Amino acid sequence: GNSVTQMEGPVTLSEEAFLTINCTYTATGYPSLFWYVQYPGEGLQLLLKATKADDKGSNKGFEATYRKETTSFHLEKGSVQVSDSAVYFCALREASYGKLTFGQGTILTVHP
Amino acid sequence: NAGVTQTPKFQVLKTGQSMTLQCAQDMNHNSMYWYRQDPGMGLRLIYYSASEGTTDKGEVPNGYNVSRLNKREFSLRLESAAPSQTSVYFCAAAGWGGTGNTIYFGEGSWLTVV
Repeated sequence: GNSVTQMEGPVTLSEEAFLTINCTYTATGYPSLFWYVQYPGEGLQLLLKATKADDKGSNKGFEATYRKETTSFHLEKGSVQVSDSAVYFCALREASYGKLTFGQGTILTVHP
Repeated sequence: NAGVTQTPKFQVLKTGQSMTLQCAQDMNHNSMYWYRQDPGMGLRLIYYSASEGTTDKGEVPNGYNVSRLNKREFSLRLESAAPSQTSVYFCAAAGWGGTGNTIYFGEGSWLTVV
């Protein structure tokens, strides 16, 4: 079956540091890939997505590139802010009408 | 701009009680989902409905039932609540393919079983 593996957390950074959260996946066919963010006490918000190989998703300074050859979708941001502190989930969706499979989440804490 | 609406937001149940979590979406999407979120385990799929009139088990269906009442509504029922069902529950909705590929989530329902 499908699976998503995220880097172990939690991740603690100082403001303006570079962020990478690794995500690799196992899937049949050609899934779509997503990053969701969850702020404390809230639901999940879509951060960015990519629907085919070599697509780059971007939003709010975050980027991730769909790498089919390495089955990866790593999340990056050049300069994090305190307000980026949240839990980040990598996910894939089977083609068409399939269900969403999540990684276990990575807790990010950014200190001033 | 409601999107996906879940009720109730918070609930405390005693072991053995029953309850239904309600979910409604106004995006005219075909697929709906129920997930539970537990610390360190990410989100796990309980049940999903690919379209009106169909439901399928996900990763952790035991102890739950669902009803896809119509295209808008997808409810999750706990017939006899257990402490292991203490969790945060998320309902979600999505279209099929193309621009409808993204799954949108409700704000969550915090359930405690004592």
